[in-house]
Amino acid sequence: EPEVTQTPSHQVTQMGQEVILRCVPISNHLYFYWYRQILGQKVEFLVSFYNNEISEKSEIFDDQFSVERPDGSNFTLKIRSTKLEDSAMYFCASSEWESGNTIYFGEGSWLTVV
Amino acid sequence: AQSVSQHNHHVILSEAASLELGCNYSYGGTVNLFWYVQYPGQHLQLLLKYFSGDPLVKGIKGFEAEFIKSKFSFNLRKPSVQWSDTAEYFCAVNGRGSTLGRLYFGRGTQLTVWP
Repeated sequence: EPEVTQTPSHQVTQMGQEVILRCVPISNHLYFYWYRQILGQKVEFLVSFYNNEISEKSEIFDDQFSVERPDGSNFTLKIRSTKLEDSAMYFCASSEWESGNTIYFGEGSWLTVV
Repeated sequence: AQSVSQHNHHVILSEAASLELGCNYSYGGTVNLFWYVQYPGQHLQLLLKYFSGDPLVKGIKGFEAEFIKSKFSFNLRKPSVQWSDTAEYFCAVNGRGSTLGRLYFGRGTQLTVWP
């Protein structure tokens, strides 16, 4: 079964540093997403991306966050200047329009900000 | 405001016991409903989904869920659990016709099955 893959699986970074989390969505999918889960809390939507632009973002997705599809396969989330409260599991996901809202998730990237 | 409530944070069962995990949602409109499962160290996997039609939906691994519109509920059931069902289970909702993919998740229920 095709999978969404994410790297790194775990990253530790110092507060104030920039972090890039990488994702390879399923190849024929058109919509890409980032979600995050702070330890002990709900999985929360960050952003959706379609046709090379953001289609929706949540109130969490402020100016320190950005997303990019730098080539035909990768989808990245950049956190410009990390804060302690950015420590979370970040999930990438993708979906194919025709499949009717079925979203497939990657294994997650665990980010620890110290 | 959109929200999803999962009533049980941690459920512990013995093998062969029956399972029911509660999920209630609040959403202003027609919804699509999902249950995802996350096995230890793995990604969120879709167990089952409801878009329309028969409110009793069957998913993988013997799971099923029933959409009761009047109760805003989408409870997950399995008649006989196995040790391999130990995982975290997430209920999620999005709005039909809304931006594709913006899922609202519940907090998750950790299921532990003892052999």
